[in-house]
Amino acid sequence: EAQVTQNPRYLITVTGKKLTVTCSQNMNHEYMSWYRQDPGLGLRQIYYSMNVEVTDKGDVPEGYKVSRKEKRNFPLILESPSPNQTSLYFCASSLYRGDEQFFGPGTRLTVL
Amino acid sequence: EDQVTQSPEALRLQEGESSSLNCSYTVSGLRGLFWYRQDPGKGPEFLFTLYSAGEEKEKERLKATLTKKESFLHITAPKPEDSATYLCAVTPTSGTYKYIFGTGTRLKVLA
Repeated sequence: EAQVTQNPRYLITVTGKKLTVTCSQNMNHEYMSWYRQDPGLGLRQIYYSMNVEVTDKGDVPEGYKVSRKEKRNFPLILESPSPNQTSLYFCASSLYRGDEQFFGPGTRLTVL
Repeated sequence: EDQVTQSPEALRLQEGESSSLNCSYTVSGLRGLFWYRQDPGKGPEFLFTLYSAGEEKEKERLKATLTKKESFLHITAPKPEDSATYLCAVTPTSGTYKYIFGTGTRLKVLA
């Protein structure tokens, strides 16, 4: 089944404790992206990747890191999480840049 | 600045009562406009892509249209299962390959 998977689905952590949220797609898509969704603010793009080893900042990249070492995986790294990073995070992929995206099920992160 | 505005924020309809959702956008150039449906606690689900003014796409009770400044999602004779948040997004033709989303319209269809 074609899908985007994210892990973990739920995470509660404390300020400053490094964490990684994994994202994987099995559709051989070139473009992958991370979003955060907050009430009243909608989906905002954090980082995106147009292919292996090619990443760029979205609209809200501060406090996040990404890497794209393999085509199928695009992990999101929070090196020192803060409470304002409490949010619902979505990973998405598309065949090429500019195409419709397919979204993962989401990761709900709480930073205390 | 590239921007997407959706209206209304929320909409309640009786079953069978047709209506339209609006997505107005400001971009330097439009590469594509996308409509998604999102159910509570789930990831957005792709509905339509529109590329140029005058284009229309249809799927069951939904029809999406595009002008140079806005897009409409028309819902004909909605059913309770159409209740969801509908999101609009654009990707501009400028040098970056970002996607900009609106804040969505929460639709509730009453039986």
